[in-house]
Amino acid sequence: SQQGEEDPQALSIQEGENATMNCSYKTSINNLQWYRQNSGRGLVHLILIRSNEREKHSGRLRVTLDTSKKSSSLLITASRAADTASYFCATSGGSNYKLTFGKGTLLTVNP
Amino acid sequence: DADVTQTPRNRITKTGKRIMLECSQTKGHDRMYWYRQDPGLGLRLIYYSFDVKDINKGEISDGYSVSRQAQAKFSLSLESAIPNQTALYFCAPTGGRQYFGPGTRLTVL
Repeated sequence: SQQGEEDPQALSIQEGENATMNCSYKTSINNLQWYRQNSGRGLVHLILIRSNEREKHSGRLRVTLDTSKKSSSLLITASRAADTASYFCATSGGSNYKLTFGKGTLLTVNP
Repeated sequence: DADVTQTPRNRITKTGKRIMLECSQTKGHDRMYWYRQDPGLGLRLIYYSFDVKDINKGEISDGYSVSRQAQAKFSLSLESAIPNQTALYFCAPTGGRQYFGPGTRLTVL
């Protein structure tokens, strides 16, 4: 069963707009990670946020984590057509580094 | 990730055939994972290994087996392939964050 659930399932925006994707999970975690996947390709790691962190930035990406609500959000600012991809959150809760993935958000950025 | 190689990249096979998917990594990580991805279902863990003597089942291990031949190599086998094993398969070595291979697209007819 999936631990993380992304919301929305699909998001379509115009170039230059910001995109926000949310992830909710069920059990306690050590960290939460966001990945990007272009159609049919491998996953690319974007950012990792630990359970004791509340916010993290990487370039145009901003991730927040609210452990009390068991939720995280990924914000992509000033989106570009090249940001079009599926975005997945994945949670890690134990020492075995297993990741449990959500079903993903399909982001389409229209030029 | 360029340091993770999966072979084959694409494979079409028939029901009942045995097939092996191979993964090798140059990152030197002890932990390696196999996932499958189905449309609309995200990634699900099949098997994982902490070292050559440690193999663990994931959430969907039925119908699959693995072999950890060396620290750098982790193979996934389908002993008798069935159509619902048609999926995209990813290998992921990890040293904290996971590094995904390019994937193998498997079609079972």
